[in-house]
Amino acid sequence: DARVTQTPRHKVTEMGQEVTMRCQPILGHNTVFWYRQTMMQGLELLAYFRNRAPLDDSGMPKDRFSAEMPDATLATLKIQPSEPRDSAVYFCASGLATPRGQPQHFGDGTRLSIL
Amino acid sequence: EDKVVQSPLSLVVHEGDTVTLNCSYEVTNFRSLLWYKQEKKAPTFLFMLTSSGIEKKSGRLSSILDKKELFSILNITATQTGDSAIYLCASGSSNTGKLIFGQGTTLQVKP
Repeated sequence: DARVTQTPRHKVTEMGQEVTMRCQPILGHNTVFWYRQTMMQGLELLAYFRNRAPLDDSGMPKDRFSAEMPDATLATLKIQPSEPRDSAVYFCASGLATPRGQPQHFGDGTRLSIL
Repeated sequence: EDKVVQSPLSLVVHEGDTVTLNCSYEVTNFRSLLWYKQEKKAPTFLFMLTSSGIEKKSGRLSSILDKKELFSILNITATQTGDSAIYLCASGSSNTGKLIFGQGTTLQVKP
């Protein structure tokens, strides 16, 4: 089965450090989404791309977060500098945009802990 | 503002019981309603509904959409301990293509 692959699976680092999370979407999918999940807020959309172009990053704190898709097989989410409140599970999902819609498929997530 | 609300937030049942999970939505330019199951890791896709009144079924799970009343239900019959998970409902807009997720319903099935 095709899967969305995320790395690393876990990351523990100190406040102020740069964090980079990576995502390989399912081959052929043209939309990529970054979500953050916490107990308090649930699943929140941070940013998403269609055909590698950023469509919406309104869910992201712009001063410290950045999302890019350098090519069709790689999406990245960076936090610089990281803060303890960024601790969460970060999910990447990919899908195929069609007029009737298609489900998004999620990776296993990166569990991030900022000390 | 677009929103999706699920109820109940948590539920404890015994094996063999039938459960109904609820999802209501208010989404501009509604296109689809999706259900996901989340155990320890990634949410996994269950159903996508776009038309009212047509039940989708997979084994003991089924779901239906009411576009007039703006809600969907997910039914699980003859529950098993393996059904214990968080069930997420999400609604998609044709304008943006993105999904708005509800808070989730945490289901615990006891032996």
